[in-house]
Amino acid sequence: QKEVEQNSGPLSVPEGAIASLNCTYSDRGSQSFFWYRQYSGKSPELIMFIYSNGDKEDGRFTAQLNKASQYVSLLIRDSQPSDSATYLCAVNSISGTYKYIFGTGTRLKVLA
Amino acid sequence: DAGVTQSPTHLIKTRGQQVTLRCSPKSGHDTVSWYQQALGQGPQFIFQYYEEEERQRGNFPDRFSGHQFPNYSSELNVNALLLGDSALYLCASSLKGGNTIYFGEGSWLTVV
Repeated sequence: QKEVEQNSGPLSVPEGAIASLNCTYSDRGSQSFFWYRQYSGKSPELIMFIYSNGDKEDGRFTAQLNKASQYVSLLIRDSQPSDSATYLCAVNSISGTYKYIFGTGTRLKVLA
Repeated sequence: DAGVTQSPTHLIKTRGQQVTLRCSPKSGHDTVSWYQQALGQGPQFIFQYYEEEERQRGNFPDRFSGHQFPNYSSELNVNALLLGDSALYLCASSLKGGNTIYFGEGSWLTVV
């Protein structure tokens, strides 16, 4: 079982729709969760992070965390063609370690 | 506010050669991590440096080594290059005790 799993996609949504990206993780000791956006040929860019169960909103983005289900998601409201990219989920595991564990990413395509 | 800077941006090396990649952290950051991202994969943790010492290491062979300088900048060295070392090498910086990492633009390494 992979430590952080994401559906590779592509996930295609029409412009203006809500895009829902999902991620599961295997280590119950995981404490911090991050979403990065990566455009083709570019480096990952931090979108947002979440530490506590529930929802966290930042503009058009909402991160959702459910530690009991070991599940974290990212919702993008009013999706725009410029949101087309690969979205990477990252988990910082047991306290005292310093490495992020990344999923392979979900490719999102927003259709104009 | 200067972000994370990396050099060179692209380079081509021959199998068996050695390469050095350089990174300057974001202003105010003192911790540097290195990641390798192969095509179609998520970034994989190589190691992290703080106070000029390697603080944690991922599952990479000893051919991968690093260094951190007193000004917090860092180098990644890879010896005896293999074709499989072809990847995007990402430097990320953070604050000691901080939980959020920010990536540079990366160095694209092609081994032929």
